Amino acid sequence: DVKVTQSSRYLVKRTGEKVFLECVQDMDHENMFWYRQDPGLGLRLIYFSYDVKMKEKGDIPEGYSVSREKKERFSLILESASTNQTSMYLCASSSPTSGRLDEQFFGPGTRLTVL
Amino acid sequence: GENVEQHPSTLSVQEGDSAVIKCTYSDSASNYFPWYKQELGKGPQLIIDIRSNVGEKKDQRIAVTLNKTAKHFSLHITETQPEDSAVYFCAATLNNAGNMLTFGGGTRLMVKP
Repeated sequence: DVKVTQSSRYLVKRTGEKVFLECVQDMDHENMFWYRQDPGLGLRLIYFSYDVKMKEKGDIPEGYSVSREKKERFSLILESASTNQTSMYLCASSSPTSGRLDEQFFGPGTRLTVL
Repeated sequence: GENVEQHPSTLSVQEGDSAVIKCTYSDSASNYFPWYKQELGKGPQLIIDIRSNVGEKKDQRIAVTLNKTAKHFSLHITETQPEDSAVYFCAATLNNAGNMLTFGGGTRLMVKP
């Protein structure tokens, strides 16, 4: 089974701190995604990556950056955390070359609180 | 870009009843429509999907219908059970858009025993 793991389930940070959220997948998937989940707004795409060192902006990239130095790892970076970035963050992966090419596999999420 | 609206935001049914969740999309070029289920403390998981070349798809107690003309699609769950309680998300995408999904706002389904 595909497994997507996220470094923390809960995280509390202060305004202005630099925050790193890590995501690792074990199925050699090419695509990786970062979403934030807010009540009533569903999942909104922040950034995604098709390959190592490649990244594309999603719908809400402002205030975030990403890094993909290895195929299995995709990091989300909040350069200077703000209270409006308090949210649930979900990582996902998919593979256009697998038999389940359209399915995205999600990690359990990181609930980030910025004080 | 694509915009997906989902209704209702919350739905409460008695065990054994049916539940219907509806979504509309804006981009007529979208051709792939998955549904994800998110249980408490977990990430969303794909439960069923439909492509624009079919109008209906069933998998045991769940079914999805698609009306391309009206640009809406629906999830139907029959004989609901307490374990169906979860948040459900619809999504839409243009297949060649790099697997980018646009999600609806989610529906919290509660099945009362």
